[in-house]
Amino acid sequence: NAGVTQTPKFQVLKTGQSMTLQCAQDMNHEYMSWYRQDPGMGLRLIHYSVGAGITDQGEVPNGYNVSRSTTEDFPLRLLSAAPSQTSVYFCASSPTGFYSNQPQHFGDGTRLSIL
Amino acid sequence: RKEVEQDPGPFNVPEGATVAFNCTYSNSASQSFFWYRQDCRKEPKLLMSVYSSGNEDGRFTAQLNRASQYISLLIRDSKLSDSATYLCVVNMLSSGNTPLVFGKGTRLSVIA
Repeated sequence: NAGVTQTPKFQVLKTGQSMTLQCAQDMNHEYMSWYRQDPGMGLRLIHYSVGAGITDQGEVPNGYNVSRSTTEDFPLRLLSAAPSQTSVYFCASSPTGFYSNQPQHFGDGTRLSIL
Repeated sequence: RKEVEQDPGPFNVPEGATVAFNCTYSNSASQSFFWYRQDCRKEPKLLMSVYSSGNEDGRFTAQLNRASQYISLLIRDSKLSDSATYLCVVNMLSSGNTPLVFGKGTRLSVIA
């Protein structure tokens, strides 16, 4: 079982560059989300999706875009990387979304450094 | 008051000890509660959901106190492999775009 797959695992960017973090899940989950985790902070929600074609902003959406063209994929795009976006990024999915007792399944994370 | 608060620790305990963590939450309408475990430089993984009546899974017991708005995690007979950060997660229905709120975690080190 692949579960939630994130690529790349590590990335170094220069300020101003753009890139896309990939996330794919093979569990046919409707709900997918992106979090960032910084030292001393809890996980913070960036964007989420309740199904194909539907996305919404989380707590810290600025500087990031998402799209959900298929149930399986939920890429996160950094438009113009800034040092403040240096973080560990986690993608997560769940079968029935936030408003339930279903837990989130997390990918391995992408460690991103912006120079 | 922060939405979800945890004592960051670290809790340093010897093998075989019993250790308990609490987590307080601010929204009395919160419906779902979870404990996740996160190992260093790894993704969070669900440890257990927390049910109103309390629940147990082997050496781990989770309890919910709605009146005082906290959940707890008790670990009995601690093992070296229990060393990790334990995240409290609360589903807050009325918090707009952040319905699932993660605590910052409590770090546990079990020492031989």
